[in-house]
Amino acid sequence: DTAVSQTPKYLVTQMGNDKSIKCEQNLGHDTMYWYKQDSKKFLKIMFSYNNKELIINETVPNRFSPKSPDKAHLNLHINSLELGDSAVYFCASSLRRTYEQYFGPGTRLTVT
Amino acid sequence: TQLLEQSPQFLSIQEGENLTVYCNSSSVFSSLQWYRQEPGEGPVLLVTVVTGGEVKKLKRLTFQFGDARKDSSLHITAAQPGDTGLYLCAGAESNYQLIWGAGTKLIIKP
Repeated sequence: DTAVSQTPKYLVTQMGNDKSIKCEQNLGHDTMYWYKQDSKKFLKIMFSYNNKELIINETVPNRFSPKSPDKAHLNLHINSLELGDSAVYFCASSLRRTYEQYFGPGTRLTVT
Repeated sequence: TQLLEQSPQFLSIQEGENLTVYCNSSSVFSSLQWYRQEPGEGPVLLVTVVTGGEVKKLKRLTFQFGDARKDSSLHITAAQPGDTGLYLCAGAESNYQLIWGAGTKLIIKP
């Protein structure tokens, strides 16, 4: 069974388009995260939800909007995509009290 | 915001050698985690250290948390090609957020 899954794995799109990435976890965790990993492999937190409540909202363009319909799902919608949005986006989940993160396989976003 | 400095950034050694990766901060963390990431995959948790001075072993990997809980090290004995990957440390802040190091890219040559 896949613990944290993301779709799609690869996403190639043109500037100005709107796209969504979906994430699901079956670990029973109460907290989910979106990270961005750039070409230098630095992992940057974007958002975090605990029991569907937004608890971390880092300085991210408001073109990025997360949505958590329930504890097991966290989606990321990106409007008006820009070249600089190209990166690998990781979803992760954890129990809030342990911080121990379980990552999905990542979504490689390429904006042309 | 706390910073976590990881060194070295890149390390390429021969199979069978030993190595140590360091993770340092000027501030105290409640716990610290080490992850390994392989190409095309997400980071995978290796270990969490919580107590100052704590030492944990995972086969040939030894993790240590500094006495003051400001730094940590990862020592690999007799490195194998399968140890190749990006090693990331992450410290836990009191507001439930992890502070990530920039990573150490490790290559073990056969």
